[in-house]
Amino acid sequence: GQNIDQPTEMTATEGAIVQINCTYQTSGFNGLFWYQQHAGEAPTFLSYNVLDGLEEKGRFSSFLSRSKGYSYLLLKELQMKDSASYLCAVSRSGQNFVFGPGTRLSVLP
Amino acid sequence: DAGITQSPRYKITETGRQVTLMCHQTWSHSYMFWYRQDLGHGLRLIYYSAAADITDKGEVPDGYVVSRSKTENFPLTLESATRSQTSVYFCASSGDRANYGYTFGSGTRLTVV
Repeated sequence: GQNIDQPTEMTATEGAIVQINCTYQTSGFNGLFWYQQHAGEAPTFLSYNVLDGLEEKGRFSSFLSRSKGYSYLLLKELQMKDSASYLCAVSRSGQNFVFGPGTRLSVLP
Repeated sequence: DAGITQSPRYKITETGRQVTLMCHQTWSHSYMFWYRQDLGHGLRLIYYSAAADITDKGEVPDGYVVSRSKTENFPLTLESATRSQTSVYFCASSGDRANYGYTFGSGTRLTVV
């Protein structure tokens, strides 16, 4: 079966660092994506990992361990505009994705 | 305008009516998808299409019909709307390579009364 778990909610302070975890069990693996979704808006692409290790993109980094079925999204120097939901999605084959439930991040001043 | 557009943005319809949600993309992406997003369920795949005239069911296809006669369009039809189909519907498209990810439309908020 398919199962993707993320914490439901997280809170952090402006300027801090936050790590959002994602664990998955899927039949087939062709990469893991992170998306950001602000309230009332569409999800937007943040990162893609297919090999183990860390991918860094400015203030955002994403890590993958395929053997552990585990990924995390690291957000540094948090800003108020980072308050959003963060969706973990696993590509099982080709363009067939399964999305996690999302983590709602609140950044406090 | 280039991109992926959905219409309408908001729709209220009555139980039992047929309603069609439109999705149009200008990139000539092969893949197109319809998701619904509900509190507590996240994004769930309704139908997807790998190319014109090729469609396949996703996780929650019951009560929905799709077609893809042209690469750029992927309409979703609710044949007889039910209140359980009240949701936010997102269309997405993607190129052929896995690392392209999806690009989502702005969504359609559908309310069935």
